[in-house]
Amino acid sequence: GAVVSQHPSWVICKSGTSVKIECRSLDFQATTMFWYRQFPKQSLMLMATSNEGSKATYEQGVEKDKFLINHASLTLSTLTVTSAHPEDSSFYICSAETRSGETQYFGPGTRLLVL
Amino acid sequence: DAKTTQPPSMDCAEGRAANLPCNHSTISGNEYVYWYRQIHSQGPQYIIHGLKNNETNEMASLIITEDRKSSTLILPHATLRDTAVYYCIASNYGQNFVFGPGTRLSVLP
Repeated sequence: GAVVSQHPSWVICKSGTSVKIECRSLDFQATTMFWYRQFPKQSLMLMATSNEGSKATYEQGVEKDKFLINHASLTLSTLTVTSAHPEDSSFYICSAETRSGETQYFGPGTRLLVL
Repeated sequence: DAKTTQPPSMDCAEGRAANLPCNHSTISGNEYVYWYRQIHSQGPQYIIHGLKNNETNEMASLIITEDRKSSTLILPHATLRDTAVYYCIASNYGQNFVFGPGTRLSVLP
């Protein structure tokens, strides 16, 4: 199957700082990528849909000014958590959709801990 | 996306077939059935998907009922490494996935 990577795999930061997470599709091009968040013992929750060359679409309740998404190429989308607070600590997972839209392949996730 | 319902947990003996059911009684005609699994602290792994015909790949088989209101994922010879949370999702092409709580499969030695 297709491979999606995320970097970093885990990050610890101080409250008030910003953290950037990269999502790359390694062997296919993805016009659409999705960003999910997963809190302990919960399922994945969609945060936003990222389309190459256009603005991201955010789910209700997700602050677009806090979670900045950039999808500058067909293989890279980035999520920046600005002014991170402890409640932003979570497991952030991206997925990349195949060009046909047939399915999504997920990255390994990035665990964020804000102190 | 149509809502799916899965049992919260299941056990399976190592080496036996694991049959994971999913109910999607409100699925629409152009929605596919997708199965993913998530092993602890990892991103979801794609398993298989189908529209109305049964599908098989190197990981699993997907059996979809004729009325498409339910499906079963079959892992033919479960191993300890198959212990994971399995998600059944009904979705159109190009749409975001809505994840439910899934089924926690425990493969027992």
